[in-house]
Amino acid sequence: EPEVTQTPSHQVTQMGQEVILRCVPISNHLYFYWYRQILGQKVEFLVSFYNNEISEKSEIFDDQFSVERPDGSNFTLKIRSTKLEDSAMYFCASSETTVPNSPLHFGNGTRLTVT
Amino acid sequence: QQQVKQSPQSLIVQKGGISIINCAYENTAFDYFPWYQQFPGKGPALLIAIRPDVSEKKEGRFTISFNKSAKQFSLHIMDSQPGDSATYFCAAPGSYNTDKLIFGTGTRLQVFP
Repeated sequence: EPEVTQTPSHQVTQMGQEVILRCVPISNHLYFYWYRQILGQKVEFLVSFYNNEISEKSEIFDDQFSVERPDGSNFTLKIRSTKLEDSAMYFCASSETTVPNSPLHFGNGTRLTVT
Repeated sequence: QQQVKQSPQSLIVQKGGISIINCAYENTAFDYFPWYQQFPGKGPALLIAIRPDVSEKKEGRFTISFNKSAKQFSLHIMDSQPGDSATYFCAAPGSYNTDKLIFGTGTRLQVFP
């Protein structure tokens, strides 16, 4: 079964550094998302992306965050200047069409640790 | 913005028992209520979903019961197995005409043999 793949599985960075989290969505999917989960807490929406532009973003997704689909397969989340509170599990997801007409498929996440 | 309240926070069930997890939502305009299952070290995976035009949906041992008037929906796991031990999240659309899902706070289910 096709799956969403994320790299790296764990990223450790120092406060103030830039990080890029990478995702390869399922190949025929058109809608892409980033969610995050702070340890032991709920899964929170960050951003959705369709047709090469952001379609929706949360208040968490401020100017320090950006997303890009640099080629036909990758989808990236960049955090320009990481803060301690950015430490979380970041999940990429994709869907064939809009939710709820098709389900969200999540990757296994990147654990980001900011020291 | 839609809020989704989930309970209990944790649940311990013996093998063969019934696990019940509840969620309450605010806005009756929304039409899609999924449940996600998450194992340690993995991303959430869609388990089962319901639309409010039906009061119940069953898939194998998993059933969603939906009460539109009470704005509640619940997940029932019949004949719970140790392999069902995971964290379960309910979710609902964040607002009208959105791709965003708002997740509940999660229920950690442990099924003991």
